Amino acid sequence: AQRVTQPEKLLSVFKGAPVELKCNYSYSGSPELFWYVQYSRQRLQLLLRHISRESIKGFTADLNKGETSFHLKKPFAQEEDSAMYYCALRAGNTPLVFGKGTRLSVIA
Amino acid sequence: DAGVTQSPTHLIKTRGQQVTLRCSPKSGHDTVSWYQQALGQGPQFIFQYYEEEERQRGNFPDRFSGHQFPNYSSELNVNALLLGDSALYLCASSLRGSEAFFGQGTRLTVV
Repeated sequence: AQRVTQPEKLLSVFKGAPVELKCNYSYSGSPELFWYVQYSRQRLQLLLRHISRESIKGFTADLNKGETSFHLKKPFAQEEDSAMYYCALRAGNTPLVFGKGTRLSVIA
Repeated sequence: DAGVTQSPTHLIKTRGQQVTLRCSPKSGHDTVSWYQQALGQGPQFIFQYYEEEERQRGNFPDRFSGHQFPNYSSELNVNALLLGDSALYLCASSLRGSEAFFGQGTRLTVV
């Protein structure tokens, strides 16, 4: 069975500090990994996906198959980064499996 | 394009009642998926509709049923509501395998 684990419910960092939101997954094959973000009073939206290897809003995430991880990183946190972040996995044509989410709070 | 729209935004129902939630997909999308998001949890997959048929289903009882119409819009029906059905219900649309776009959700409260 596919599972996504986000060990931190809440992560608080100071503005300008580096951010790392952890995500580990369990799946024996080659999954697609995603990060979704939900800003206050807004809908869930895709932040980035591992296959595109893009940097969105300064965030990057690298798929580490050996450690089955897909941690989200940003070198310098901004106040507008405060939001709920969800890691999600898709295997083949199966639906998205989400983690429980991490609330990122950036303190001015 | 208004994106994915869901109605109603909020709903209060009594235990044992039935509820219908509605979703209009993003223009050009043909696949609709429904998710339940309980408080403090990530979204959990309920089922997915494509070409007016249920294609995949998560671990939800038969009280949860759905429908997709020829215009790709969809309904989620829940019968015999339980207190535990209180949650945010999210609809996501996609074009077969592409990026999923989510609606704002319907907040269902069962009392």
